[in-house]
Amino acid sequence: DAGITQSPRYKITETGRQVTLMCHQTWSHSYMFWYRQDLGHGLRLIYYSAAADITDKGEVPDGYVVSRSKTENFPLTLESATRSQTSVYFCASSPGQVNNEQFFGPGTRLTVL
Amino acid sequence: KNQVEQSPQSLIILEGKNCTLQCNYTVSPFSNLRWYKQDTGRGPVSLTIMTFSENTKSNGRYTATLDADTKQSSLHITASQLSDSASYICVVSDPYIPTFGRGTSLIVHP
Repeated sequence: DAGITQSPRYKITETGRQVTLMCHQTWSHSYMFWYRQDLGHGLRLIYYSAAADITDKGEVPDGYVVSRSKTENFPLTLESATRSQTSVYFCASSPGQVNNEQFFGPGTRLTVL
Repeated sequence: KNQVEQSPQSLIILEGKNCTLQCNYTVSPFSNLRWYKQDTGRGPVSLTIMTFSENTKSNGRYTATLDADTKQSSLHITASQLSDSASYICVVSDPYIPTFGRGTSLIVHP
């Protein structure tokens, strides 16, 4: 089916473990984004990508790593998870310019124990 | 630093009533302003987009206004329905990156 998907939808991990959240879109949108959403903060941009092999930091990039070898995929890796990274993570994609409408995935709820 | 402030933080209304949500921003230079609706447990979905020259835009029972001089926007919901219960997020973009507000949580009671 066309759209933007995230996996897993729910993840529980332990402090210090590496975790990778996957994001896949079928529209061939050039821009992709990763956000985290926490109570009291709203959506905060972690990283974004303008095209394959082009990534840039957002507001809260520390502790996260991204890659984009293919246009349709934009994985987010927590190299050594911390409790403060417990959050809901949303991936989004956007055609054309960075300030176009963003289409969001369903989110991944990550709990770090 | 670009900022987007929304008010109120939360709002409870009765079904059938109207309500207005506010958004103030300091994003510069201004490119566009969007309102998103986020249902519980789901990703946000765009409701409206407004550019500098637009004052009002409607999408069904949702009407957004923009005053670029005072850097304020509002989202008016007419004849609210239970399905309007959600978080409404104001997003203001410069030519490079969007800035998200924290959202207004709306609860519509029967």
